[in-house]
Amino acid sequence: SQQGEEDPQALSIQEGENATMNCSYKTSINNLQWYRQNSGRGLVHLILIRSNEREKHSGRLRVTLDTSKKSSSLLITASRAADTASYFCATDADSGGSNYKLTFGKGTLLTVNP
Amino acid sequence: ETGVTQSPTHLIKTRGQQVTLRCSSQSGHNTVSWYQQALGQGPQFIFQYYREEENGRGNFPPRFSGLQFPNYSSELNVNALELDDSALYLCASSSVFRSTDTQYFGPGTRLTVL
Repeated sequence: SQQGEEDPQALSIQEGENATMNCSYKTSINNLQWYRQNSGRGLVHLILIRSNEREKHSGRLRVTLDTSKKSSSLLITASRAADTASYFCATDADSGGSNYKLTFGKGTLLTVNP
Repeated sequence: ETGVTQSPTHLIKTRGQQVTLRCSSQSGHNTVSWYQQALGQGPQFIFQYYREEENGRGNFPPRFSGLQFPNYSSELNVNALELDDSALYLCASSSVFRSTDTQYFGPGTRLTVL
C-alpha cells in the first residue's frame, strides 16, 4: 500500500520558476525523504528530514515537515530544464520490528520547459 | 552515480519462466533492499537482506526470493513469472542496519513478461 501521496500528480512550469510539490502520509514517522527519478531509472536521494525538524535546505531545495498535519512539501527554486523528473516522497512508516523499509508515494512528474 | 550496480539493464521473459536479477552494493554497505516499481507507481518494498539473512519482507509471495553473498552483492529470484511482474526492479544499499536513513539506489532492471 502507498503511504505517501504526492500532490500534484503532474506539474509543468517554465525555467526559472519555483516548483512546489506536496506529500501527505497516514501514520507517524521517524523521517521523511525525497527522491528524484529520471525517465524510469534509479532513484537519487535528495534530502532527509527527521520528525523533530520543521524545515531543511539543500542548495535550491527546501523541505518542510508538519507532523501535526502529516504533510511535507518540497520546493525547488529557480528551476532548470535538468530538474525535469519524477519526485517521490518516502517515509519509514510501517518500519520497526524486523521491517526497515521505505514506503513511497506515487510521485509528482515535474516538467520544466526551457 | 551511487556506486550501486544492477544487471541486466533490460530483460524479456515469458509467463511461467524464472528470472534472476543481480545487484552489487556500494562499497562498505552491508544492507541491501529490493523494490518493485510498476509503471506509473512508486517503488514497493520486496525484502531486505543483512549479513546474508532476510531482515524483513513486504507483501510479496514466496516465489519472490533473494540471496545476499559474503561480499554483500545480492540476487532477486522470481519463479513462475506472471504478466503483472513486469516492472522496474530496484536495489538499494545502505551502511546502517535497522535504519531507513539514506539508501543508495541502483539504476534498476526493467523486466518485461510476455
